[in-house]
Amino acid sequence: EDQVTQSPEALRLQEGESSSLNCSYTVSGLRGLFWYRQDPGKGPEFLFTLYSAGEEKEKERLKATLTKKESFLHITAPKPEDSATYLCAVRVRSRLTFGEGTQLTVNP
Amino acid sequence: GAVVSQHPSRVICKSGTSVKIECRSLDFQATTMFWYRQFPKQSLMLMATSNEGSKATYEQGVEKDKFLINHASLTLSTLTVTSAHPEDSSFYICSARTPDGELFFGEGSRLTVL
Repeated sequence: EDQVTQSPEALRLQEGESSSLNCSYTVSGLRGLFWYRQDPGKGPEFLFTLYSAGEEKEKERLKATLTKKESFLHITAPKPEDSATYLCAVRVRSRLTFGEGTQLTVNP
Repeated sequence: GAVVSQHPSRVICKSGTSVKIECRSLDFQATTMFWYRQFPKQSLMLMATSNEGSKATYEQGVEKDKFLINHASLTLSTLTVTSAHPEDSSFYICSARTPDGELFFGEGSRLTVL
């Protein structure tokens, strides 16, 4: 059975304090790993797609990396507006399986 | 990025009534759309995969007669919650796949059944 586990469940950072979120997966036939940001009461906002081990993508303060077992979302010098729930999802065949998310709070 | 629009964003209905939620891809054609359900502080659970011009594929445990899905065009999929009950109250989110394979989500629809 495909499994996606995100850690930590919740993370509190001070503004400027860099950290990483983890997404571990066990799937057969990965066809992409996705990172999304979700604000309360909103749909997920697309951040990145990674397809193969060793791939990295960056967007502003965020950088996503991928290995054969896990993905990291690195947040450099976060700001309060980065506070949100970050979801990762893996695609196997045509469907996405989501992790439970990491709720990030960045205090000013 | 691509835009996916959901309507309504919030709906309150009485128990026993039916509610329709629309999902539109505004700037691309989506042969496949997905419907998710999300409870508070939980992740998204896939309910069904909607393919244009064919019957939806439902996940195990999702009642197809309760949650009617229609994908009549390349830009529109609808989810109808029939004979809604309070336990159907949830946040329903759709996503649409672009021709490049990326997935974009709608803003979600919060259903409250009284």
